[in-house]
Amino acid sequence: KNQVEQSPQSLIILEGKNCTLQCNYTVSPFSNLRWYKQDTGRGPVSLTIMTFSENTKSNGRYTATLDADTKQSSLHITASQLSDSASYICVVSRNYNAGKSTFGDGTTLTVKP
Amino acid sequence: SQTIHQWPATLVQPVGSPLSLECTVEGTSNPNLYWYRQAAGRGLQLLFYSVGIGQISSEVPQNLSASRPQDRQFILSSKKLLLSDSGFYLCAWSGSSGLSDTQYFGPGTRLTVL
Repeated sequence: KNQVEQSPQSLIILEGKNCTLQCNYTVSPFSNLRWYKQDTGRGPVSLTIMTFSENTKSNGRYTATLDADTKQSSLHITASQLSDSASYICVVSRNYNAGKSTFGDGTTLTVKP
Repeated sequence: SQTIHQWPATLVQPVGSPLSLECTVEGTSNPNLYWYRQAAGRGLQLLFYSVGIGQISSEVPQNLSASRPQDRQFILSSKKLLLSDSGFYLCAWSGSSGLSDTQYFGPGTRLTVL
């Protein structure tokens, strides 16, 4: 069964601290993995996308890693800001399979001053 | 640049009433279009996707339906709403090179069925 599991479910950190969110998947065959940020009451916005051959990708203070062998990805946020408070969603897509993206339930991050 | 619009932004409807949510995309042609539902505190559930006008694929059985009357217009409908239809409905588009491409989401519609 194709699944995407994210951990932790929720996380509270202080402003300025770093944090790492985890994503484990069993989706096969693998096409790409994306991380989205979803502010409360808004649509998700893409942060990074990685294919099989990529093991790290950065977008400002966000750095995503991918280990295709262990089927794990992480999203590292450095020097967190209050505006980082949001839900972070991991999405894994299968090759050549129309509409088949599997979404994780997300990690809710709260950054406190 | 491409933009995606959804309306209405919020909607409160009684059980048994009909539903019509609209999504339009600007600045691109022949996009792949998607409808998702997100229950409170939960992940996104793909409801429908479309690769072209009149082409609709359903991911889950339900009392909802979708239509694509024009290239950049995607409509989500129901003849009779259920309480369980409450949620946050998101429309998304992606390029036509593949359905695993990055999806760009609209602002969403918050539906409450009473």
